[in-house]
Amino acid sequence: DAMVIQNPRYQVTQFGKPVTLSCSQTLNHNVMYWYQQKSSQAPKLLFHYYDKDFNNEADTPDNFQSRRPNTSFCFLDIRSPGLGDAAMYLCATSRDLGVRSNQPQHFGDGTRLSIL
Amino acid sequence: QQQVKQSPQSLIVQKGGISIINCAYENTAFDYFPWYQQFPGKGPALLIAIRPDVSEKKEGRFTISFNKSAKQFSLHIMDSQPGDSATYFCAATFQGAQKLVFGQGTRLTINP
Repeated sequence: DAMVIQNPRYQVTQFGKPVTLSCSQTLNHNVMYWYQQKSSQAPKLLFHYYDKDFNNEADTPDNFQSRRPNTSFCFLDIRSPGLGDAAMYLCATSRDLGVRSNQPQHFGDGTRLSIL
Repeated sequence: QQQVKQSPQSLIVQKGGISIINCAYENTAFDYFPWYQQFPGKGPALLIAIRPDVSEKKEGRFTISFNKSAKQFSLHIMDSQPGDSATYFCAATFQGAQKLVFGQGTRLTINP
């Protein structure tokens, strides 16, 4: 059974039209991460939540926002998508910070975002 | 200093052969080194991980070799199978860190 669920799997939006991607988890993990992965590249961390504390990566554009209304759900909002934002967006969770052998990151299968 | 350098970028191995992917790091604070396997259209999945206090860890056909003095670690896939065809990412982190540092990835193709 999927433990980190991302919806939708595929999302098409128009240039400049706000879009929201969702992630839910059944693991009751404290930490939820959002990554951007472009073709043939490693995942790039955008931000993460430790419980309700939001931590933004320094190079994450302001265009990207996130919400975590409760432990199970986390959303990625792209306010004005540009063509360069077309990518796979991955959600991941871990039980705690300081990823260790007993606290790996569990990834969802991602949402592939296309921009028209 | 936060980088993890991975090679090769792509690798083709015959079925039954040994696949070897190498990673190198600079930050001596790193103390946990996982490998992730990613199939097309799927998220990365933890494959195997090692800490620097051991030189080797084996799980089935997958082995991590770790050389602390050289700051290098590698993934060996024995008896490689077509089902192993995927992209593999090495990564590193340390206690208290808030994120993984990923290598650039290796696209592995196992020819039948």
